[in-house]
Amino acid sequence: DSGVTQTPKHLITATGQRVTLRCSPRSGDLSVYWYQQSLDQGLQFLIQYYNGEERAKGNILERFSAQQFPDLHSELNLSSLELGDSALYFCASSVAGGLAGPGEETQYFGPGTRLLVL
Amino acid sequence: AQKVTQAQTEISVVEKEDVTLDCVYETRDTTYYLFWYKQPPSGELVFLIRRNSFDEQNEISGRYSWNFQKSTSSFNFTITASQVVDSAVYFCALIPNSGNTPLVFGKGTRLSVIA
Repeated sequence: DSGVTQTPKHLITATGQRVTLRCSPRSGDLSVYWYQQSLDQGLQFLIQYYNGEERAKGNILERFSAQQFPDLHSELNLSSLELGDSALYFCASSVAGGLAGPGEETQYFGPGTRLLVL
Repeated sequence: AQKVTQAQTEISVVEKEDVTLDCVYETRDTTYYLFWYKQPPSGELVFLIRRNSFDEQNEISGRYSWNFQKSTSSFNFTITASQVVDSAVYFCALIPNSGNTPLVFGKGTRLSVIA
């Protein structure tokens, strides 16, 4: 158990809908990262937050948005869902978000949320 | 650009055999970090090891060992005396130390250990 929690575990929804995925980082970690794992694209970075502020952005679609709250939990919002958004969405956390250097610390991953868009 | 290549898509071995998973990386940075993660059938991503580019010492942890060779840009992972519980997808990943780049993952190698 990495200490990172994600809810829900599974989500089934229809095209055009909006969903919210939730992540709680490990105790003491200030940074959260969101990754998407799909069959065709593999594991891809979406976005990173550090202590409430956006720190890095990857291949995140405009239909997707995220935020990190004062209690450090994070939410990933996916809207106008398409079939191709079906994937496993991971949240990871690290202590300082790589302030000392991006690789200076390990990212620990949550169990993921499996999203199926029908 | 950063890139991680895991050329072996799937490997199947019989229990107790040794198996090596290959990882080749590309980066222009002189300082970078390499990782291995395991994804068992249950789906979670489990951290296995982190290694920085200045430390070329091989590492052994129980039945797991890692061989880092800067000259060939490789960071290979060997499981000795494989067990059925080792069946999983294994990902190699890279973070360069410049900029704000997150983990760059390879496509993964699916290992099946047959009893």
